[in-house]
Amino acid sequence: EADIYQTPRYLVIGTGKKITLECSQTMGHDKMYWYQQDPGMELHLIHYSYGVNSTEKGDLSSESTVSRIRTEHFPLTLESARPSHTSQYLCASSRGDTQYFGPGTRLTVL
Amino acid sequence: GENVEQHPSTLSVQEGDSAVIKCTYSDSASNYFPWYKQELGKGPQLIIDIRSNVGEKKDQRIAVTLNKTAKHFSLHITETQPEDSAVYFCAASITYNFNKFYFGSGTKLNVKP
Repeated sequence: EADIYQTPRYLVIGTGKKITLECSQTMGHDKMYWYQQDPGMELHLIHYSYGVNSTEKGDLSSESTVSRIRTEHFPLTLESARPSHTSQYLCASSRGDTQYFGPGTRLTVL
Repeated sequence: GENVEQHPSTLSVQEGDSAVIKCTYSDSASNYFPWYKQELGKGPQLIIDIRSNVGEKKDQRIAVTLNKTAKHFSLHITETQPEDSAVYFCAASITYNFNKFYFGSGTKLNVKP
């Protein structure tokens, strides 16, 4: 079983707030990913990282930003949350071919 | 880029029956095909995977088949149990190209007791 953690698991906030979703893994994986999962359950890649100080935008445009200062940590930030940001956010990491997912953060913006 | 299509979107079977979920992909360079199971309130969990140099792989009640020529792969679950109820995702990846994963749209499997 993979050791990848996300906090908080659930977050309800008001419009305009700045939020950071935390993701950490203890496996020493170089590659990390953020996905947005819509109510229809499809997974959309929004950010990924090859390693420390490397970040790239994914296939789905997102107003969020990410950073990778440490191998084990890949936080996602929304500067000003809006109701359209309401979604499930999944973090993942991989070394080699296999990708492991965290439990997700369910974000609701009122 | 790669496009992965998954069918059906929902599947309802009786306990003990078999379930089959099918996926097609578009990029012949894809060489790694994992399957994930996502239960309510949890992240996707890898259940089985197959590489392009293998045609079939089995793990207890779960098997995956791959047809590279036709660019399709399938998940087979035999002797289904209520705890198999979940959303299943297929994915395709080119392992030597960063490892971006392209996911299917998911299949909601309901196993009726």
